[in-house]
Formats: sequence, structure tokens, C-alpha cells
Amino acid sequence: AQSVSQHNHHVILSEAASLELGCNYSYGGTVNLFWYVQYPGQHLQLLLKYFSGDPLVKGIKGFEAEFIKSKFSFNLRKPSVQWSDTAEYFCAVIPGGSYIPTFGRGTSLIVHP
Amino acid sequence: NAGVTQTPKFQVLKTGQSMTLQCAQDMNHNSMYWYRQDPGMGLRLIYYSASEGTTDKGEVPNGYNVSRLNKREFSLRLESAAPSQTSVYFCASSERFGAKETQYFGPGTRLLVL
Repeated sequence: AQSVSQHNHHVILSEAASLELGCNYSYGGTVNLFWYVQYPGQHLQLLLKYFSGDPLVKGIKGFEAEFIKSKFSFNLRKPSVQWSDTAEYFCAVIPGGSYIPTFGRGTSLIVHP
Repeated sequence: NAGVTQTPKFQVLKTGQSMTLQCAQDMNHNSMYWYRQDPGMGLRLIYYSASEGTTDKGEVPNGYNVSRLNKREFSLRLESAAPSQTSVYFCASSERFGAKETQYFGPGTRLLVL
């Protein structure tokens, strides 16, 4: 079955550490890719998105993601995390020909001050 | 703009009771969606409305009904609640129905079915 996998379910880091959250999908062909963030007690909001062009996408709050087509991956990165980055992060994929996103299970990030 | 609003924020139901979750958006978006979020499961689409006057089933529609009341409002109804419907429900909207559309989410409704 087509799916979106986020391999890291829980990540715990200290402030200033670097972050990389994995996202892999199983769709072939064209895909549209999103990362959403959900801060504690809040709703999901868009961090960044990729449709085409430069595979390195920059988003809000210093986050970036790299689309590697050959690896079916769209990993989220941040060079130096802050305590305020504590949140749940969701990868979402809309495969070509569809209009509905499939979300990964989410990665819970805790950043210790 | 308030964005996407949902009521209620919390609800406790007994098995078999019915209720309607309300969602409204003030961004003049054409498309609206209902998701449920369960631990370890991510978000799963229940129903969506690509445009006013249309609704379609998503991944997990059983036990739910929806109504696109007008362009602003999209409600989700549980006719006979079951413990398996205990979840957090999110409404979302997008300007258009398309593969490149960003969805804007509401704050969620936490539902507990006893």
C-alpha cells in the first residue's frame, strides 16, 4: 500500500543540537510534499512545502527540507534547535493525480533547554 | 481573520449518543476537510468537500456524516458514538481543491466516548 513513513517517532535533543527528521514515501511519479508542525495544544501549521524546482526548500523558523527523488525522501532539517521547537512534526504527501494528502504518523520532538 | 474555528473544544459522550462538530472558516476558501488524529496514527481524512455543494468520503468515513452548510461551514456528525471514535478531530480548509494547496487547520475538538 502507498504510504508515508516517519521513522523517528520520538526525538529528544538539547538546545543548539542539529535536527534531521526522516520522511519517506512509497509513491512513484510526481509528488507534492509538505511538512507541518503542531506545537503543544495548538493546531497544525505549515512549515514548508515542495512542488518542483530546487530540491532544497527553506521554510519558516530556520527549517529546511531536501527532496531526494531517488530515495523517495523529504527529510526535515534545522542546524540548531531551540526549546521553542518542541512540537510534533508531520510529513504529508500528495501524489500526482490525487488531491488528498496522506500524512505520516508524526515525530514528537522534545528540546531540552 | 479568525481563520478556521471549531466548536466545541472538548466533548464527552456516552456510547450511542449523537453530536455534531462545527467548523467555520473566514478565508473564503472553497475546500474543507475533516480529519481525525489518533496517537501513533497521524491524521486520517474522514470526509472532504472540494467545493460548496459537494462532499466525498475520505479514508475513514464509517460512522460519520457531513454537511457543507454553505461556503464557510462544514459540520461533522456522529449519529451513534462509539468508543473507537474517541479522538481529536481537526477541520481544515484550502483555497482550492488541488495537489499544491496548503491546508489551514483549526484548533481541534477533543472527543471522549465512554
